[in-house]
Amino acid sequence: SQQGEEDPQALSIQEGENATMNCSYKTSINNLQWYRQNSGRGLVHLILIRSNEREKHSGRLRVTLDTSKKSSSLLITASRAADTASYFCATDGEMYQGGKLIFGQGTELSVKP
Amino acid sequence: EAQVTQNPRYLITVTGKKLTVTCSQNMNHEYMSWYRQDPGLGLRQIYYSMNVEVTDKGDVPEGYKVSRKEKRNFPLILESPSPNQTSLYFCASRGRFSDEAFFGQGTRLTVV
Repeated sequence: SQQGEEDPQALSIQEGENATMNCSYKTSINNLQWYRQNSGRGLVHLILIRSNEREKHSGRLRVTLDTSKKSSSLLITASRAADTASYFCATDGEMYQGGKLIFGQGTELSVKP
Repeated sequence: EAQVTQNPRYLITVTGKKLTVTCSQNMNHEYMSWYRQDPGLGLRQIYYSMNVEVTDKGDVPEGYKVSRKEKRNFPLILESPSPNQTSLYFCASRGRFSDEAFFGQGTRLTVV
């Protein structure tokens, strides 16, 4: 089952521009994570924000969380061609399900040189 | 280096021919899962394991089996593959007290 939706589904920008991706979820959460997937490869953890946090930074990444709206956004500043990938938000399933993560559908980001 | 290793990366097989996709992690993680990724359906959990000899069904377990005889290994078994199991498969592991999941590089399976 999918937790929510990501918006936009696809985003195309020029190098140097900022990219913003949004994620909505349905249930209450302990934390929300963002993962990156290069074409057809494994997902790589980018950043985690806890439910009691509103904003978090890591390098060129900025994540915000609005628990009242059940939404999160990922901002990539000064994008590079190497940022081209799919980006997924993920929230915890029930912990008895072996650390299950529930993923959004993802945003496909294309950064043109 | 912390990693989850899946093999093979690519596999083409015929309907009904049993196959196993291996998964191994070197982080001593308790939790391991298998996901499949399909266009329009996203990532869905197939099976999971919370520790050695403890496995259970995820959201889409039909047609799959798993085992967890050792903590590091979590193979996915397709006893009689069918074309609707053509997909991209990921193994993931996660520590019991950790939030971050580590994913393997994926296995692209085609069943003809």
